[in-house]
Amino acid sequence: SQQGEEDPQALSIQEGENATMNCSYKTSINNLQWYRQNSGRGLVHLILIRSNEREKHSGRLRVTLDTSKKSSSLLITASRAADTASYFCATAPNSGGSNYKLTFGKGTLLTVNP
Amino acid sequence: GAVVSQHPSWVICKSGTSVKIECRSLDFQATTMFWYRQFPKQSLMLMATSNEGSKATYEQGVEKDKFLINHASLTLSTLTVTSAHPEDSSFYICSATGTGYNNEQFFGPGTRLTVL
Repeated sequence: SQQGEEDPQALSIQEGENATMNCSYKTSINNLQWYRQNSGRGLVHLILIRSNEREKHSGRLRVTLDTSKKSSSLLITASRAADTASYFCATAPNSGGSNYKLTFGKGTLLTVNP
Repeated sequence: GAVVSQHPSWVICKSGTSVKIECRSLDFQATTMFWYRQFPKQSLMLMATSNEGSKATYEQGVEKDKFLINHASLTLSTLTVTSAHPEDSSFYICSATGTGYNNEQFFGPGTRLTVL
């Protein structure tokens, strides 16, 4: 079953506004990752945050992780039309070994209107 | 670095035929490759994990005789959809990781399979 659950399922904003997407998960994780997918294309890795980290920045992206609430958020600041895409969170389990299997959430479809 | 390619990018086939999809790591050795399936407007579902030189490990509910996975080299894994049916139509995405990448997965661009 899907561990990650994103909300909202769809988000429509105007260019220049900030977009916030949330992800919740159920089991213990090693790390949580956010990906972007343009329609009909492959995934682009955005950012990885480890279970012992609380916040991470990359350009206009800000990710937070609250392991006590088993939730993460992705903030895109000063959005652009080119940010229009689906955004997925994916969790890697804290089960040791060298082959982490990612479990993807259902995704948030972000539409940035010019 | 860490580029993964897939071929073909799209394929249309008749029901009952078999289709092979290739996943290649172009600039690194992929010790582990993953195959995902994505239905329209849905998330990615992991189908199987393959380690170079070993049999693939399939997720629950995925028929191993239906979806044959081969990972014969450190740069190539193949997924063969055997006796394809319209319900197999989907977007198939592979990812790969290797030594030194701390288990970060690098995704291919995906293959759109349409079975008529």
